[in-house]
Amino acid sequence: DVKVTQSSRYLVKRTGEKVFLECVQDMDHENMFWYRQDPGLGLRLIYFSYDVKMKEKGDIPEGYSVSREKKERFSLILESASTNQTSMYLCASSLGGQGGEKLFFGSGTQLSVL
Amino acid sequence: GQQLNQSPQSMFIQEGEDVSMNCTSSSIFNTWLWYKQDPGEGPVLLIALYKAGELTSNGRLTAQFGITRKDSFLNISASIPSDVGIYFCAGQSDAGGTSYGKLTFGQGTILTVHP
Repeated sequence: DVKVTQSSRYLVKRTGEKVFLECVQDMDHENMFWYRQDPGLGLRLIYFSYDVKMKEKGDIPEGYSVSREKKERFSLILESASTNQTSMYLCASSLGGQGGEKLFFGSGTQLSVL
Repeated sequence: GQQLNQSPQSMFIQEGEDVSMNCTSSSIFNTWLWYKQDPGEGPVLLIALYKAGELTSNGRLTAQFGITRKDSFLNISASIPSDVGIYFCAGQSDAGGTSYGKLTFGQGTILTVHP
């Protein structure tokens, strides 16, 4: 069974902390994505990566960075967490090239920043 | 960035009823997709559409790629309790290179089905 696994289901952090969200996929996919989900706003793309060590900004990259040192792992980093980063974070992966629109999502990490 | 307007925002229906939802955009998309998110899970792909005018079914679900390429529709027939969840439309505007997979999502339609 193919899987995208996010390291934490729930996370509570304090303002100013550095936060790491980890994502691992076992499908040998080239593409990996980080979205945040907020009620009434849908899913918004933060960053994506189409190859190891490659990354591109999405629609809302401010306050975030990412790391992809291995093909199967894509990390989202909040350098200094703020309360407006309280959200559900979803990781996804897909094939490179045609078929890449078919995203496979993890179950999400609900992050609360106090 | 691009925006998709999805409606309705929420629906409360009785089991057995048919459901319709739609998504519109001010710009053209080359691919339209519909995803469903069950409570506590990530979204799962339901249907992908690749040509203007295309009509595609997946069981009780039918989706259409609008002729103008600026809209898409999803219909669910004879709803059942497990249809509960959030339905998202998504569009992909460019094809080729690193654009594959870079999707724009709608705000979602929350569907509640009463037994």
